Amino acid sequence: KAGVTQTPRYLIKTRGQQVTLSCSPISGHRSVSWYQQTPGQGLQFLFEYFSETQRNKGNFPGRFSGRQFSNSRSEMNVSTLELGDSALYLCASSLAGPGVGTQYFGPGTRLLVL
Amino acid sequence: GEDVEQSLFLSVREGDSSVINCTYTDSSSTYLYWYKQEPGAGLQLLTYIFSNMDMKQDQRLTVLLNKKDKHLSLRIADTQTGDSAIYFCAEKDGSSNTGKLIFGQGTTLQVKP
Repeated sequence: KAGVTQTPRYLIKTRGQQVTLSCSPISGHRSVSWYQQTPGQGLQFLFEYFSETQRNKGNFPGRFSGRQFSNSRSEMNVSTLELGDSALYLCASSLAGPGVGTQYFGPGTRLLVL
Repeated sequence: GEDVEQSLFLSVREGDSSVINCTYTDSSSTYLYWYKQEPGAGLQLLTYIFSNMDMKQDQRLTVLLNKKDKHLSLRIADTQTGDSAIYFCAEKDGSSNTGKLIFGQGTTLQVKP
């Protein structure tokens, strides 16, 4: 079974631009979560989706948004990029609803904001 | 609030055992996890333990949980150079309706040949 896939793997953007990252969960998995990893703050939870609904959100500004489609694929969007948004963005999927099941992570999308 | 703490660095010789320690604060956590991250890669799930267990063994990996002290450890037997990576301890948020994970800062394991 294929693992979690994320596209693109690398991105370079400039301040003020916006970016959309994509995540395809493991086949049959219905929950998708997003995390941001930076050297300074470590791994921080962004949001969690199940059945196309955001179930939980971390402490990030409104510039960070996401959605989930009927096939469980998810996208996250960051608008008005800032230098501090440079990070590795990790997506994880789990089999069932929020709070149920182990999360499996993708390889991440590395975003550099210049 | 919820917090997970790990030591930042551990260096061992190939063939020795490695023990990585972690403390957490949320006593309502139901699951605790160990993930491994190699350079430039995502997180690989190594193992997990349910909060009503004291120990779990999986091949070279042994997880010990002391719920009273909120202390979790990961022992890697016969450590190999391929085990060099960053190891993250994570607790599942104690709320029942979320899968949110709270991660420690990660422990860099250096294995010397």
